[in-house]
Amino acid sequence: SYVLTQPPSVSVAPGQTARITCGGNNIGTKSVHWYQQKPGQAPVLVVYDDGDRPSGIPERFSGSNSGNTATLTISRVEAGDEADYYCQVWDSSSYHYVFGTGTKVTVL
Amino acid sequence: EVQLVESGGGLVQPGGSLRLSCAASRFTFSSYEMNWVRQAPGKGLEWVSFISSSGSTIYQADSVEDRFIISRDNAKNSLYLQMNSLRAEDTAVYYCARDSDRFPLFDSWGQGTLVTVSS
Repeated sequence: SYVLTQPPSVSVAPGQTARITCGGNNIGTKSVHWYQQKPGQAPVLVVYDDGDRPSGIPERFSGSNSGNTATLTISRVEAGDEADYYCQVWDSSSYHYVFGTGTKVTVL
Repeated sequence: EVQLVESGGGLVQPGGSLRLSCAASRFTFSSYEMNWVRQAPGKGLEWVSFISSSGSTIYQADSVEDRFIISRDNAKNSLYLQMNSLRAEDTAVYYCARDSDRFPLFDSWGQGTLVTVSS
């Protein structure tokens, strides 16, 4: 089955840039989506189709995808961005949705 | 705004059964594909099951194959998950999630219902 690997944690100072990677075999050929989940809350979609943003998501959230790595970038990080982030793809070979292992972003 | 409200969670013994429900409102439920996604305590997200808008197509995670059954009633705007032969590792918050009409992703989520499998 298809596997998506994320770093367990990323720490960043306020105002700096956080980059969260999502590794998968030829992930660049897939459409990658990203979710933010704060403690005790349901996940929220923050980036879809590699780099597009749903309505209401700040421009500080952006994404890219190439080769074996997709990346979620959070610019000008704020305290409110502290959360768990998950990447997700559709695996057409198994008809399964696949989530990454998740990354906890800590704002210092 | 889309509303999804799960119910039916609780404590169940290993080997037991439970049926979860998800009441949908503020969108045309019959036009959307739907999913169940779960999250074990302190763990990551795990997709469980998908059902097409008509109910004719179903996909399931390997971990729940042959034990869980997803279904829907479009007349009642409701999604269901029948969970049988429950195991301790099925303990999780179960979310009802709407599938986007453009991409295979989850664009709206309920708040979840907790299922605890323990003796």
